[in-house]
Amino acid sequence: DAGITQSPRHKVTETGTPVTLRCHQTENHRYMYWYRQDPGHGLRLIHYSYGVKDTDKGEVSDGYSVSRSKTEDFLLTLESATSSQTSVYFCAISDRDNSPLHFGNGTRLTVT
Amino acid sequence: GENVEQHPSTLSVQEGDSAVIKCTYSDSASNYFPWYKQELGKGPQLIIDIRSNVGEKKDQRIAVTLNKTAKHFSLHITETQPEDSAVYFCAASIKWRSGYSTLTFGKGTMLLVSP
Repeated sequence: DAGITQSPRHKVTETGTPVTLRCHQTENHRYMYWYRQDPGHGLRLIHYSYGVKDTDKGEVSDGYSVSRSKTEDFLLTLESATSSQTSVYFCAISDRDNSPLHFGNGTRLTVT
Repeated sequence: GENVEQHPSTLSVQEGDSAVIKCTYSDSASNYFPWYKQELGKGPQLIIDIRSNVGEKKDQRIAVTLNKTAKHFSLHITETQPEDSAVYFCAASIKWRSGYSTLTFGKGTMLLVSP
């Protein structure tokens, strides 16, 4: 899938614990994105990055932070997980602005 | 911000029939409209896209039409096959204050093609 690896693929964690999801790409694409997918809501943008150390908030960024210290890695952190953050998280990449996104296969996160 | 409405939420057709999925968007500045297909347990995959300077685009059995004035675009699948069964998402571009664009997605249509 366009050289995108998301890890872990599945995770169960308890409310209040920190969680970090990783997206690793081998395409050397400049743009990276984190979306969450929930029934009845489709895909919603959490954060995006337009270069190393350049990130911005999306429409549902509360409770999430990101970091991009290298072109190939985009990390999503839940500082203190809540049950409302139970979801499937997708990373996507793109080589140009306003262009097709290529998605990873997702991380299923359950917060108990 | 951008709002993308997608209809229907579910669509059942017989093999060989055509399927049409419709989306509307709210931001007149949107200029890029991709469609994605998602199979169970996988990430969405791009199947076709269109930009605002084009009214229609075809790729074999799949076509997309765009009406900028009415702010709606549609996906047309002809001669449907069982392997077309999946969830389909439309999306529209949105430009942020950063100057960069991202995609806002519709809520999806589950297409079921019966043999």
